[in-house]
Amino acid sequence: AQSVSQHNHHVILSEAASLELGCNYSYGGTVNLFWYVQYPGQHLQLLLKYFSGDPLVKGIKGFEAEFIKSKFSFNLRKPSVQWSDTAEYFCAVNRRMDSSYKLIFGSGTRLLVRP
Amino acid sequence: EAQVTQNPRYLITVTGKKLTVTCSQNMNHEYMSWYRQDPGLGLRQIYYSMNVEVTDKGDVPEGYKVSRKEKRNFPLILESPSPNQTSLYFCASKNTGRVTEAFFGQGTRLTVV
Repeated sequence: AQSVSQHNHHVILSEAASLELGCNYSYGGTVNLFWYVQYPGQHLQLLLKYFSGDPLVKGIKGFEAEFIKSKFSFNLRKPSVQWSDTAEYFCAVNRRMDSSYKLIFGSGTRLLVRP
Repeated sequence: EAQVTQNPRYLITVTGKKLTVTCSQNMNHEYMSWYRQDPGLGLRQIYYSMNVEVTDKGDVPEGYKVSRKEKRNFPLILESPSPNQTSLYFCASKNTGRVTEAFFGQGTRLTVV
């Protein structure tokens, strides 16, 4: 079945540690890729997006992600996390050919950063 | 400020009592949609609307209705809520077009007892 997979459901890090969250999708064709963050009790906010061009995209708050087409992956990275990065992170994919513009979400990764 | 506004933020109701969750956006977006978020499942699309009077089912439409009489509003209607509709609901809007991003509301946490 076509899907979006996030491999880590829970991640615990200490402040200043590096972060990498995996995301793989199984759709063929051209896709748009997104990472959203949900801070406790808040709505989804866009961290970064990839539509085309440079496969290394930079987002807000020091996050970046790399699109590797051959691996169908769009992993999220941050060199040094802060306590304020504690949140749930969602990878999402939108197939360009899909006329419903539907976003397909992964199941999310809960990140806890210990001070 | 550009935003998507949902009301109410929290709602506890009883089985079978009709309810409506409102969604309004001020960005003149053509496209609006509703998602539900459940633990371990991410977000799943319930219904979407390409424009006024144009709506269609998403992946999990059973038990829900929507309407799009005005461009800015897209209410979600539960005619007869059941406990399996207990969830966190998000409304989203975006411009149509294949390289645009979606903006989300703050969510509505619904509990059906």
